[in-house]
Amino acid sequence: RKEVEQDPGPFNVPEGATVAFNCTYSNSASQSFFWYRQDCRKEPKLLMSVYSSGNEDGRFTAQLNRASQYISLLIRDSKLSDSATYLCVVNMAGSARQLTFGSGTQLTVLP
Amino acid sequence: NAGVMQNPRHLVRRRGQEARLRCSPMKGHSHVYWYRQLPEEGLKFMVYLQKENIIDESGMPKERFSAEFPKEGPSILRIQQVVRGDSAAYFCASSPNGQGINGYTFGSGTRLTVV
Repeated sequence: RKEVEQDPGPFNVPEGATVAFNCTYSNSASQSFFWYRQDCRKEPKLLMSVYSSGNEDGRFTAQLNRASQYISLLIRDSKLSDSATYLCVVNMAGSARQLTFGSGTQLTVLP
Repeated sequence: NAGVMQNPRHLVRRRGQEARLRCSPMKGHSHVYWYRQLPEEGLKFMVYLQKENIIDESGMPKERFSAEFPKEGPSILRIQQVVRGDSAAYFCASSPNGQGINGYTFGSGTRLTVV
């Protein structure tokens, strides 16, 4: 089983749609969780951290379910500029490497 | 307040040559991480270094690859006798400590093409 697993997509949605991405992780002792965004041929950029209580940043909402080892990202009122690959990232407990990346979910927002 | 600087941005090497990728961390950061992204794949951890020390190299291929982070100067990822399968984007990230709690900041990457 992969340490961090994501649905690769692609997700093709119209502008204004709401889209949700899911991610599962294998190590129950993992401590920190993030969503990164990667545009084509660019470096990954931190989108938001994910907290147990859930957190929101504008149109983006992240949720964590530790019992199910599941992380989600919800994007409301999607914009063309949201088109990118979204990477689920986990701080694997006990690992000096600290951040493990999922393979990413590709999103295309269509006009 | 420069971010993580990587150079070169693009590197073309013939099979059998050596590739040297450089990474200068953000000011005040002494922890450096190298990741590789093969075409159409996710980022894979390679190595984690602190100044003059390799902390975790569990993601490094056993042969031809090495990394260093000297007391002075940038971190270097060295690939000897490159092969076509080494063609990838190599990203470096840095952090001020070894916690990873706040995520990493990545450099723009070096795109290595082996011809």
